[in-house]
Amino acid sequence: DGGITQSPKYLFRKEGQNVTLSCEQNLNHDAMYWYRQDPGQGLRLIYYSQIVNDFQKGDIAEGYSVSREKKESFPLTVTSAQKNPTAFYLCASSQGANSPLHFGNGTRLTVT
Amino acid sequence: GQQLNQSPQSMFIQEGEDVSMNCTSSSIFNTWLWYKQDPGEGPVLLIALYKAGELTSNGRLTAQFGITRKDSFLNISASIPSDVGIYFCASNAGGTSYGKLTFGQGTILTVHP
Repeated sequence: DGGITQSPKYLFRKEGQNVTLSCEQNLNHDAMYWYRQDPGQGLRLIYYSQIVNDFQKGDIAEGYSVSREKKESFPLTVTSAQKNPTAFYLCASSQGANSPLHFGNGTRLTVT
Repeated sequence: GQQLNQSPQSMFIQEGEDVSMNCTSSSIFNTWLWYKQDPGEGPVLLIALYKAGELTSNGRLTAQFGITRKDSFLNISASIPSDVGIYFCASNAGGTSYGKLTFGQGTILTVHP
């Protein structure tokens, strides 16, 4: 089945540690995105990538980093510089500029 | 930045009732999307609208892209318990924004059997 896989589902880290969230898609989509969701809020864009080896900052990129070495993979690193990293992280992909986003099932990160 | 104002924030209804929710913005958008999110899952696309005035149905769901391109509504008819979840509107200004969606705050729907 084609889709987007995020792993792990739940992640726990100590404050001060970097952590990398995985996102893989087999939809052959060019574009991939990372969103953050906090309780009672809409989704906020962290980073996006339109094509392999290229990515752009979204609205809340500070404290995060990404890479896009392969079309199907777009890992997100939450660094120790992110002031409030505990959240639900959603990865998405789309075929093109005005195509709807398809989301993974998210990773819930808890930092204590 | 661009903002979408989604209302109501939450709804508590009886099974069988119809539901209506909407999104408005001060900016013009080229695309309106409606997503549903179940607890602990990613949002799933329900309906996509691409033209002003467009009215689209998907089973018991109907959505419209406002003529002014600044608003959209989603109706759910004859609600059932599995309609429970958070409904998000999302929109794209097009052009250089390239798939960067702006999301509403979400409408939490609770359906009592």
